[in-house]
Amino acid sequence: QSVLTQPPSVSGAPGQRVTISCTGSSSNIGAGYDVLWYQQLPGTAPKFLIYANTNRPSGVPDRFSGSKSGTSASLAITGLQAEDEADYYCQSYDSSLSGYVFGTGTKVTVL
Amino acid sequence: QVQLQESGPGLVKPSGTLSLTCAVSGGSISTIHWWTWVRQPPEKGLEWIGEIHHRGGANYSPTLKSRVTISLDKSKNQFSLNLTSATAADTAVYFCARKSSYSYGYDYWGQGVLVTVSS
Repeated sequence: QSVLTQPPSVSGAPGQRVTISCTGSSSNIGAGYDVLWYQQLPGTAPKFLIYANTNRPSGVPDRFSGSKSGTSASLAITGLQAEDEADYYCQSYDSSLSGYVFGTGTKVTVL
Repeated sequence: QVQLQESGPGLVKPSGTLSLTCAVSGGSISTIHWWTWVRQPPEKGLEWIGEIHHRGGANYSPTLKSRVTISLDKSKNQFSLNLTSATAADTAVYFCARKSSYSYGYDYWGQGVLVTVSS
């Protein structure tokens, strides 16, 4: 049902860099609406990671970075750590739905 | 430090009404923030339900709009969710959250409460 598509899973060894894509359309990301990212550890509430496409809230390590281009956005995690193993979700606004939408979610596994 | 805490029945009968409350502590609900409900079915992704502002504005997901009401009680510093005609598809962990003042992201979240719709 989600209008923002993410890969189901990505993995990497400790210290490596992984990226997660978030693909939308002309009614959400492509329309210029900001993309946000959340990290969700098992059994917990999501944690705010990135806002306005590229910005980190206070306290979020600079290992996490966001980017946006056209109808897509990406989250990069550099220097991957065991504690980064979690589910990650993108979020934006959709004008055709007149509401906020989340991505399908990506599970990051640290090998 | 703002804290949010959901409460309500963990079991709702099919066709019944799902009712939850989110108590806000560490700050007033009568601020510039919008207050939001998000849900997550078991082993699935996040779904935005709707939001409310203390000045009276409310916005709802178009897929749930006909069944959802979000209200706010300033005297108790809390806001509530009512979802009517519940079905098994409404079984989920329900989170309340605060929209940040600088973006439409959610900077504070409750821990979430599992609501199961079953007879």
